[in-house]
Amino acid sequence: SSELTQDHAVSVALGQTVRITCQGDSLRKFYATWYQQKPGQAPILVIYGHNIRPSGIADRFSGSSSGNTASLTITGAQAEDEADYYCSSRDSSGDHLGVFGTGTKVTVL
Amino acid sequence: QVQLQQWGAGLLKPSETLSLTCAVYGGSFSGHYWTWIRQSPGKGLEWIGEINHSGSTNYNPSLQRRLIISVDTSKNQFSLKLSSVTAADTAVYYCARSSQYFDWLAVGHYYTDVWGKGTTVTVSS
Repeated sequence: SSELTQDHAVSVALGQTVRITCQGDSLRKFYATWYQQKPGQAPILVIYGHNIRPSGIADRFSGSSSGNTASLTITGAQAEDEADYYCSSRDSSGDHLGVFGTGTKVTVL
Repeated sequence: QVQLQQWGAGLLKPSETLSLTCAVYGGSFSGHYWTWIRQSPGKGLEWIGEINHSGSTNYNPSLQRRLIISVDTSKNQFSLKLSSVTAADTAVYYCARSSQYFDWLAVGHYYTDVWGKGTTVTVSS
């Protein structure tokens, strides 16, 4: 199976830019998908594919990848962006199994 | 607008079977994978497994021997059964819809775009 590793927590000043990273072997084959989760709520999809934002997601969210590392960047972070962020992918073994990253707590100062 | 409504028992005793059902309203039932995900208190997300409209399943290996995911296409519903539960199975369980995005090499990349509200399941004697 694959593992996806994220930084436990990051902080960003209001209006500044923050990058959240996700590392794992499966990311050499599959794009990372990114989810935002606020306390007591279900996750919501933020980025998928090569850098696709679902309808309703602010354009300050963007995704990128290089090698075994995927990144979610929030450009001009807002107070409402304070949340947990999870990356996700599929197991690169070919078993089509889903896997989530360990999650990153983003604090907006 | 696709909506998922889930239900099931919220309090179980050790060794009992956890049973949850998720109904899909709106949108197409085929062409997607219908997924179960859980989150233990204060922990991260854990992928449980999924099923498509044809009944093809993928299971988390760590849960596979206790897990059954089934589908009822006549009702646009899918269900989760997890047997022999322990306190470690205490979590919020989410049902969700997963889809695929195909890149220029025709590699499928999964994403989960619709989530249920979650059901809190507690296992306690």
